[in-house]
Amino acid sequence: NAGVTQTPKFQVLKTGQSMTLQCAQDMNHEYMSWYRQDPGMGLRLIHYSVGAGITDQGEVPNGYNVSRSTTEDFPLRLLSAAPSQTSVYFCASSRGLLDGYTFGSGTRLTVV
Amino acid sequence: GIQVEQSPPDLILQEGANSTLRCNFSDSVNNLQWFHQNPWGQLINLFYIPSGTKQNGRLSATTVATERYSLLYISSSQTTDSGVYFCAHSGGYNKLIFGAGTRLAVHP
Repeated sequence: NAGVTQTPKFQVLKTGQSMTLQCAQDMNHEYMSWYRQDPGMGLRLIHYSVGAGITDQGEVPNGYNVSRSTTEDFPLRLLSAAPSQTSVYFCASSRGLLDGYTFGSGTRLTVV
Repeated sequence: GIQVEQSPPDLILQEGANSTLRCNFSDSVNNLQWFHQNPWGQLINLFYIPSGTKQNGRLSATTVATERYSLLYISSSQTTDSGVYFCAHSGGYNKLIFGAGTRLAVHP
């Protein structure tokens, strides 16, 4: 049972490039979400999904897109990378509202 | 939104010592959870504890929802307990709101 799998683990982008951070879970969880973690800022919610075909914005959605075409996958797209998007990104999933979260191992992104 | 305050912000322990970490929230919360972020950055869910007490080995947690706080107890601490401990609560769609964390260092 793999849990929540994030790829890649590390990535360096140039300003203006686009990329997709992958997140997959094999626990049949309905709820999935993306967070970024920055020093002194804690973890902040970017986007979340309550099921396939349903997504919504979190606290810091600007510059990011998401989609949820399947229960298993919840990719995060950076449209035009900026240095302010340098961060560690975590994907998380949960079976439902009354359950605990499982986090992926994170993606460390640097935008130069 | 609901404010989450964690204390202490930093804690240094000698191996074998016990400690209590606290999480206060400004209003009623749903689905309080405790996480440990190890020195490699991995976030591990320790407890899902909206109320009551749970124990898992040397760790236990208590949430008193009516008084708006939760406690995480670490007994007989080990160097592997080092890292940052977060409490978090979820909004209506399981959007986790994190506290600022308690940074724990356990020395041998």
